[in-house]
Amino acid sequence: DADVTQTPRNRITKTGKRIMLECSQTKGHDRMYWYRQDPGLGLRLIYYSFDVKDINKGEISDGYSVSRQAQAKFSLSLESAIPNQTALYFCATSDFLGQTLNEQFFGPGTRLTVL
Amino acid sequence: QKEVEQDPGPLSVPEGAIVSLNCTYSNSAFQYFMWYRQYSRKGPELLMYTYSSGNKEDGRFTAQVDKSSKYISLFIRDSQPSDSATYLCAMSTGNQFYFGTGTSLTVIP
Repeated sequence: DADVTQTPRNRITKTGKRIMLECSQTKGHDRMYWYRQDPGLGLRLIYYSFDVKDINKGEISDGYSVSRQAQAKFSLSLESAIPNQTALYFCATSDFLGQTLNEQFFGPGTRLTVL
Repeated sequence: QKEVEQDPGPLSVPEGAIVSLNCTYSNSAFQYFMWYRQYSRKGPELLMYTYSSGNKEDGRFTAQVDKSSKYISLFIRDSQPSDSATYLCAMSTGNQFYFGTGTSLTVIP
């Protein structure tokens, strides 16, 4: 079974609708992240969480919100979806290993289309 | 100015060629320099990383970091069709990661 799972894998919705993307992990990591990937813009950080009580805005948080329901679950919400939020969304997790690289492990992605 | 700049390609090479992928960056505080590989319809996977300056070799792959020029490279020797993917460079100060746009590579049999 995959260590980081995302649901749904694909979603088409209309402008103004509320959408929730979910991420679950079995790696036991404390840190979780949400990114979006757009052609020509690469991966950009939306929100990140270093533990259940910690939520931080990333580079492009406007129009998004998150909820860290448990160590293993991190959800991303679009309160009122707009077409320029059409993108590929990735969840990632990492451990904290002190003064070494905290490798990020990515889920398979959710392709979201907002009409 | 973006934190990380990467030529998006696409890059197409014959099997067995040496591939060179590059990124530049602007933040001198970056300490970790990474290369991720992303196959179509998959999430990125860490290929290799370097801490600070220098070279690191792993099989057919070599990562180089030149902090004085703020320039990193990934070399792939004896490229194989299975190397066809998008390669993303990434850099970190420790907590946050900054990714390049990715270079699409196709290795033709």
